[in-house]
Amino acid sequence: IAGITQAPTSQILAAGRRMTLRCTQDMRHNAMYWYRQDLGLGLRLIHYSNTAGTTGKGEVPDGYSVSRANTDDFPLTLASAVPSQTSVYFCASSDGTSEYNEQFFGPGTRLTVL
Amino acid sequence: GQNIDQPTEMTATEGAIVQINCTYQTSGFNGLFWYQQHAGEAPTFLSYNVLDGLEEKGRFSSFLSRSKGYSYLLLKELQMKDSASYLCAVMDSNYQLIWGAGTKLIIKP
Repeated sequence: IAGITQAPTSQILAAGRRMTLRCTQDMRHNAMYWYRQDLGLGLRLIHYSNTAGTTGKGEVPDGYSVSRANTDDFPLTLASAVPSQTSVYFCASSDGTSEYNEQFFGPGTRLTVL
Repeated sequence: GQNIDQPTEMTATEGAIVQINCTYQTSGFNGLFWYQQHAGEAPTFLSYNVLDGLEEKGRFSSFLSRSKGYSYLLLKELQMKDSASYLCAVMDSNYQLIWGAGTKLIIKP
């Protein structure tokens, strides 16, 4: 694989259930990010990690947790899902050394919480 | 607070030119990005401006005025495949991206 993969592609989840969204990149990028995208709103940062072993909170972290045990993987966990977490979730990465430091995005996970 | 404004939707004709504007108010500035996002797909990088002026890349150009907090994306010789949302994002003083809601561009034959 080349780039970023996310799993699952889509999921319907009952409220109160625990869910982990997976994200893996093979570009050896140091930084990784989780965003949610809702209609009419810009991408909003949930959590980020500048390097393996460190994480930070973004704009909308409540109800979500992340871990970064290694460079490649950055899972996002919803401990107890609520309907307001219905959204499209994008994982992204950047290497911090390119000219633009642009972020590369995974294909997204469409999550519906009922 | 931090704010990125861009039009919600624009319509243009195939073969024409369209300019998508973006204004921003952020805590610090470390560059402005434009991304393209086709419906149901991930955003992909288009351009980056950190200094004032115009950056040209094929049919796409991006302009920045830091003193005015203003940027635009110029698309020339529009093609049907350019129908997409265009996202403006500013990297703030913490090197985090602040995103606009995106401009949906509809291309008509």
